[in-house]
Amino acid sequence: DQQVKQNSPSLSVQEGRISILNCDYTNSMFDYFLWYKKYPAEGPTFLISISSIKDKNEDGRFTVFLNKSAKHLSLHIVPSQPGDSAVYFCAASYTNAGKSTFGDGTTLTVKP
Amino acid sequence: NAGVTQTPKFQVLKTGQSMTLQCAQDMNHNSMYWYRQDPGMGLRLIYYSASEGTTDKGEVPNGYNVSRLNKREFSLRLESAAPSQTSVYFCASRVFQGNTGELFFGEGSRLTVL
Repeated sequence: DQQVKQNSPSLSVQEGRISILNCDYTNSMFDYFLWYKKYPAEGPTFLISISSIKDKNEDGRFTVFLNKSAKHLSLHIVPSQPGDSAVYFCAASYTNAGKSTFGDGTTLTVKP
Repeated sequence: NAGVTQTPKFQVLKTGQSMTLQCAQDMNHNSMYWYRQDPGMGLRLIYYSASEGTTDKGEVPNGYNVSRLNKREFSLRLESAAPSQTSVYFCASRVFQGNTGELFFGEGSRLTVL
């Protein structure tokens, strides 16, 4: 049973437009969510996170929204840039567990 | 500042051969992890070490062993490699186990088992 799901394997957007990446989870114990970005032949790198006590966290062009009742989070990138083209992983964990559960990733392509 | 360093970056094995993936971090982190990533899939946890001297199984531990050699180093061993273990392996570290903060990843080790 996959506890963290990213239902869109790929997403293509035009440079300057908004990119919205979605993630759903099933485990109500999760209380911390992170997004990682991964370029080919590199390890994932942390992008942005959100605690379950918040519904929004913003960092520059990146905003993560959390809807606890729907067990859904989304990552918004505005404006999208070609350098944002990468695989984005959603991950979830719960306090004191430490282990993160990852989704399968969404490949974002930003076209110039 | 190297962060998390993995060796080797590439390896080809024949079925039944053994090998060890090495991982070292220089961030003074307490917790270390081994993940594998298969095509089109997310990262699945193989083993982790919450602190020096402890190791625990993750989601997919079968066919692997680990050793937390010291605070800096965490190795992953395949005793008898199988084609199903063809994957990209990532080592990661975190400040400490109970912390929900970010993981720091190495660049990955691509393993092919023929």
